[in-house]
Amino acid sequence: QKEVEQDPGPLSVPEGAIVSLNCTYSNSAFQYFMWYRQYSRKGPELLMYTYSSGNKEDGRFTAQVDKSSKYISLFIRDSQPSDSATYLCAMGGPYGNKLVFGAGTILRVKS
Amino acid sequence: GAVVSQHPSWVICKSGTSVKIECRSLDFQATTMFWYRQFPKQSLMLMATSNEGSKATYEQGVEKDKFLINHASLTLSTLTVTSAHPEDSSFYICSARDTGQGKPNTGELFFGEGSRLTVL
Repeated sequence: QKEVEQDPGPLSVPEGAIVSLNCTYSNSAFQYFMWYRQYSRKGPELLMYTYSSGNKEDGRFTAQVDKSSKYISLFIRDSQPSDSATYLCAMGGPYGNKLVFGAGTILRVKS
Repeated sequence: GAVVSQHPSWVICKSGTSVKIECRSLDFQATTMFWYRQFPKQSLMLMATSNEGSKATYEQGVEKDKFLINHASLTLSTLTVTSAHPEDSSFYICSARDTGQGKPNTGELFFGEGSRLTVL
């Protein structure tokens, strides 16, 4: 079993739809959780950072962490074609420097 | 957010030659940087952790003599692919964490734009 599971997609939605991206994990020591967006042939860009459980909202993006279920989500409201990219979840332990990444979900928003 | 610059963004070289990739933190100090490799449609694979002023820590299966890492200053780490072969062709990405004075370790990583290496 992988430490972090993420459906690779592709996920195809119409413009304006609400997108839900998810990751599950097995290591209960993880304490910080991130979502990165990666456009083709570019480095990942940090979108959302969450420490421990709870929700965080930034514009059209909402990140949720449920540590009891070992499940994290990223919601994108009013999705735009420019949101088309690969979304990577990443998480790390309390003191370790290494992040563990999900496989990434390819999102396509059609206009 | 913090800015990480990576150079070159793409490079083509002949088999058997060596290629150096630079990773710079532009507006923050980074005592630790990370080098990743990414194959098409796959996630990031951590290759090594670069530590300023000391030896890098390599992940299992990564040849340290093949992928030389030098972290000579708080803002610069370099990855040299030695005696490159076609199977080394990949997308190499560096990342860094802001470890400046007084900065808490939040775990946030900032990535460079990546360097695409093609070995002919």
